[in-house]
Amino acid sequence: QVQLQESGPGLVKPSQTLSLTCTVSGASISDVSSYWSWVRQPAGQGLEWIGRVFATGSTDYNPSLRGRVALSLDTSKSQVSLKLTSVTAADTAVYFCAREAGSGDYGFDSWGQGTLVTVSS
Amino acid sequence: DIQMTQSPSTLSASVGDRVTITCRASQSISDWLAWYQQKPGKAPKLLIYKASTLESGVPSRFSGSESGTEFTLTISSLQPDDFATYYCQQYNTYPTFGRGTKVEVK
Repeated sequence: QVQLQESGPGLVKPSQTLSLTCTVSGASISDVSSYWSWVRQPAGQGLEWIGRVFATGSTDYNPSLRGRVALSLDTSKSQVSLKLTSVTAADTAVYFCAREAGSGDYGFDSWGQGTLVTVSS
Repeated sequence: DIQMTQSPSTLSASVGDRVTITCRASQSISDWLAWYQQKPGKAPKLLIYKASTLESGVPSRFSGSESGTEFTLTISSLQPDDFATYYCQQYNTYPTFGRGTKVEVK
């Protein structure tokens, strides 16, 4: 059973960088048929895809965030990392990591529990 | 980007009701559509992928269908555990989600 666990600071100051880590167990992040994404959800609102990283290390980002976001893999630790720069209050949200299996054919089949990040001074 | 227009935003129903939620894509997405269920404070749960394929372990009262760019999630007989918010998501291009449908107790 695949398990994903997000971790990182719950409070980030405006203009600083938000950094989160997703630790994966029960699956290999080196599996080329799995893609690793981050999705966020502001309180009471819908879901927004942030981006994905492939086993090769290549990435794909939401155009609305491109330029501020960077995803990476650490295969030795089985971790997927998110960095979002120049944050504002609009970046306050619950951040989920999620897996797309089957080379992206199956939607997001596994999710972390989510972690709340608040941007405030 | 591809916009997903989901309706209704809220749906009031009773246990045993047949429930239908619709999503319309702003352009063709083939059958690259998934449906999720989300309960308060929890992560979304995949119900259906490729428009009509039931995820393993999901009850058969859930079904999905498509007609062109219009997609439908049907719950054949609503159960107490089904009161939640449902989202559609296209993955023909970079993923985008509908705004959600909250299924509440009538």
